[in-house]
Amino acid sequence: KQEVTQIPAALSVPEGENLVLNCSFTDSAIYNLQWFRQDPGKGLTSLLLIQSSQREQTSGRLNASLDKSSGRSTLYIAASQPGDSATYLCAVPNAGGTSYGKLTFGQGTILTVHP
Amino acid sequence: EPEVTQTPSHQVTQMGQEVILRCVPISNHLYFYWYRQILGQKVEFLVSFYNNEISEKSEIFDDQFSVERPDGSNFTLKIRSTKLEDSAMYFCASAIGRGSANEKLFFGSGTQLSVL
Repeated sequence: KQEVTQIPAALSVPEGENLVLNCSFTDSAIYNLQWFRQDPGKGLTSLLLIQSSQREQTSGRLNASLDKSSGRSTLYIAASQPGDSATYLCAVPNAGGTSYGKLTFGQGTILTVHP
Repeated sequence: EPEVTQTPSHQVTQMGQEVILRCVPISNHLYFYWYRQILGQKVEFLVSFYNNEISEKSEIFDDQFSVERPDGSNFTLKIRSTKLEDSAMYFCASAIGRGSANEKLFFGSGTQLSVL
């Protein structure tokens, strides 16, 4: 059974800092990994999707890397802003078969960026 | 930008009552999902739906749950006889298809279900 763990559980940083969020998963037979952002009481917004054949994916100030063999992914946020404050979730699908879209989520990292 | 819409945003019901949660997925998407998040816990997969049938369901999705796509736009989750432990935020999601970026999931803003 796939298990996803995110470290740290919470992070508080001053504005402008570069930061790294970590995600690990137990079953490395995945075909992609997604990072999501969740604002309080709101839905999930997909930030980045990395295919298993890719090592990283970038969108603006966000960069996500994937190391399938070690079961790890990192989300790098450059020059953090107060608007980045949210919970960041990592999710992987179960391998193969009809499990497309059946994602296993981590518990998230609660990020607070203060001015 | 197209988005997944869910109604209602909040639903309060008595234990044992039936509830229907509604979702309008993005119009050209073919794969539909329900997830839930109990307060303080991880987001959990409930069910996936494609080509008018369930593709996969989790252990949570027992006989009390059902899904339907009654027309070309709506996707519903019905809980026949709600229990206290069904209280959670329920998220609908959709994706274009399979392969590459097509599998990116788009989530709605959720329905907060409270069972009293």
